[in-house]
Amino acid sequence: QQPVQSPQAVILREGEDAVINCSSSKALYSVHWYRQKHGEAPVFLMILLKGGEQKGHEKISASFNEKKQQSSLYLTASQLSYSGTYFCGTVGLSGGYNKLIFGAGTRLAVHP
Amino acid sequence: EAQVTQNPRYLITVTGKKLTVTCSQNMNHEYMSWYRQDPGLGLRQIYYSMNVEVTDKGDVPEGYKVSRKEKRNFPLILESPSPNQTSLYFCASSSDRGPQYYGYTFGSGTRLTVV
Repeated sequence: QQPVQSPQAVILREGEDAVINCSSSKALYSVHWYRQKHGEAPVFLMILLKGGEQKGHEKISASFNEKKQQSSLYLTASQLSYSGTYFCGTVGLSGGYNKLIFGAGTRLAVHP
Repeated sequence: EAQVTQNPRYLITVTGKKLTVTCSQNMNHEYMSWYRQDPGLGLRQIYYSMNVEVTDKGDVPEGYKVSRKEKRNFPLILESPSPNQTSLYFCASSSDRGPQYYGYTFGSGTRLTVV
């Protein structure tokens, strides 16, 4: 099943923070986060593995709650370049480690 | 430069006319995959491949075929395209340990319109 992302859309001013959530109904091996700018391909941001640590670099970080099968992406002090659509992708513990299933996406717009 | 190359970028075709979208990667990756992207639905996996001659169905394989005769190439074939296959298609590849560890590198996409 497709993971559920929330919110569907976020509008921010530069410098504000945002949290994007991803929830799955099945047990997960890993959660991935990608960002896609308009007219471009999705770009890999980070992956969180079952039993692994919270990931992040600079002002974008993520967490993975294995018990709840939920992940959150944290964008701190947002910049104009953060605008785009964010997708979470999940790999389940069953059904094949090669099946990366994406959520419907969260559109983020950062304004000056 | 490490990349996944898809061709063509744009394609308009008529219902029933067979077409092939090519995908090639220069990273010696084992894993390759095809996704289609539709508004409000995100990216849905069509087929994936773990190695040469090893392929498996994703979530929306109906109406599509793939082949993996060489490691670098993973073409997507629509034998008899229909209007509901109008979509944005992405090819992606991942390293030896697989996408569950390293994620995917995506191509630039192919926008297909079937009239």
